[in-house]
Amino acid sequence: AQKITQTQPGMFVQEKEAVTLDCTYDTSDQSYGLFWYKQPSSGEMIFLIYQGSYDEQNATEGRYSLNFQKARKSANLVISASQLGDSAMYFCAMRADGGSQGNLIFGKGTKLSVKP
Amino acid sequence: EPEVTQTPSHQVTQMGQEVILRCVPISNHLYFYWYRQILGQKVEFLVSFYNNEISEKSEIFDDQFSVERPDGSNFTLKIRSTKLEDSAMYFCASSEWGLAGGDEQFFGPGTRLTVL
Repeated sequence: AQKITQTQPGMFVQEKEAVTLDCTYDTSDQSYGLFWYKQPSSGEMIFLIYQGSYDEQNATEGRYSLNFQKARKSANLVISASQLGDSAMYFCAMRADGGSQGNLIFGKGTKLSVKP
Repeated sequence: EPEVTQTPSHQVTQMGQEVILRCVPISNHLYFYWYRQILGQKVEFLVSFYNNEISEKSEIFDDQFSVERPDGSNFTLKIRSTKLEDSAMYFCASSEWGLAGGDEQFFGPGTRLTVL
């Protein structure tokens, strides 16, 4: 069965520092996609970054980068130069493409707090 | 920028009552999803919908739940007889393709359902 594991319930980071949020996944599919979403206290889900299982390069989107280590089945999110507005819940998610119609499987999330 | 909208933002209902949660996906998207998030927990997939029929559903999506696309723009989730444990944030999402690839699922702002 597919599974996403986020082992850090909460993280603190100093403003302007970089932070890594961990995510490991489990799937037997060869083709899959990995996503990170941000959920501020207001509740909406904001897409941050995507990594496909066949992508050779790590994905980057502005201050967000995804450290994809396929052999270790990890897809850690790196946020550079943290800002106060980055304080939120962060969810790692996977879409298994073997037979599913694209539904996402989410981890339990990591609550990031950025300290001034 | 196009966005997914959901109404109402908050719904309070009595146990045993029927509720309908409404969503307007992004207009050129073809795949629609409902997820739920019980307070403080991870986001869980409920159902996906394509070409006017359910593509996939989770074990949570039992006979109490139904989805419908009554016209060209709305996508609804109906809970026939609500239970206390149905209290959660319900997210609607849509995507352009729903297949392997980097197309993100755009999430709506959510409807917070409270069952008393």
